[in-house]
Amino acid sequence: EIVMTQSPAALSVSPGERVTLSCRASQSVSSNLAWYQQKPGQAPRLLIYDASTRATDIPARFSGSGSGTEFTLTISSLQSEDFAVYYCQQYNNWWTFGQGTKVEIK
Amino acid sequence: QVQLVQSGTEVKKPGASVKVSCQASGYTFNSYYMHWVRQAPGQGLEWVGIISPTGDSTSYAQKLQGRITMTRDTSTSTDYVELSSLRSEDTAVYYCARAGDSGFTALDYWGQGTLVTVSS
Repeated sequence: EIVMTQSPAALSVSPGERVTLSCRASQSVSSNLAWYQQKPGQAPRLLIYDASTRATDIPARFSGSGSGTEFTLTISSLQSEDFAVYYCQQYNNWWTFGQGTKVEIK
Repeated sequence: QVQLVQSGTEVKKPGASVKVSCQASGYTFNSYYMHWVRQAPGQGLEWVGIISPTGDSTSYAQKLQGRITMTRDTSTSTDYVELSSLRSEDTAVYYCARAGDSGFTALDYWGQGTLVTVSS
């Protein structure tokens, strides 16, 4: 099973700041990686697929990069509605999720 | 618009079975795979399994093998996941989530989730 490791587990950020979240795979997943956002009491929402393609209606402040085993989700200027938990998921070899990164208000 | 509507909250005793449904609308149901993902209280997301567009092929998480069955009714555009021999650690919100035409794609639409509580 491919293990996905996200870092940090949590971070405190002020609105307007730039945020970078990391996701590492235990073996190469090529570009078969997605990022999801989940707010309390809601289902996850797809943000990025194929490592760097924004999903429908996702604002341009969200961007993804990486391939192989190292991936990054960047939020260029954090808005109030962006405080949430973010998960990465690989779909190259079966399907596994990272443990999530919680983005909290500073 | 694409919608996935799941059945309501379930409370079961240990050893019982539960069956959760997911009715799809707004797209060609038998052209897309469907995944199930669960989330224990306060925990992360865990992949549960996948069913093919025609319903004739399934794959399950190894830890659930032997206790889980996924089925599809194309006449009603509804997917089902059934979990038997329930344990307290099966307590979670269960989500259905649509994948693409290969299954090995991101999950672009999600149901609202169904809370399954296993308690004596």
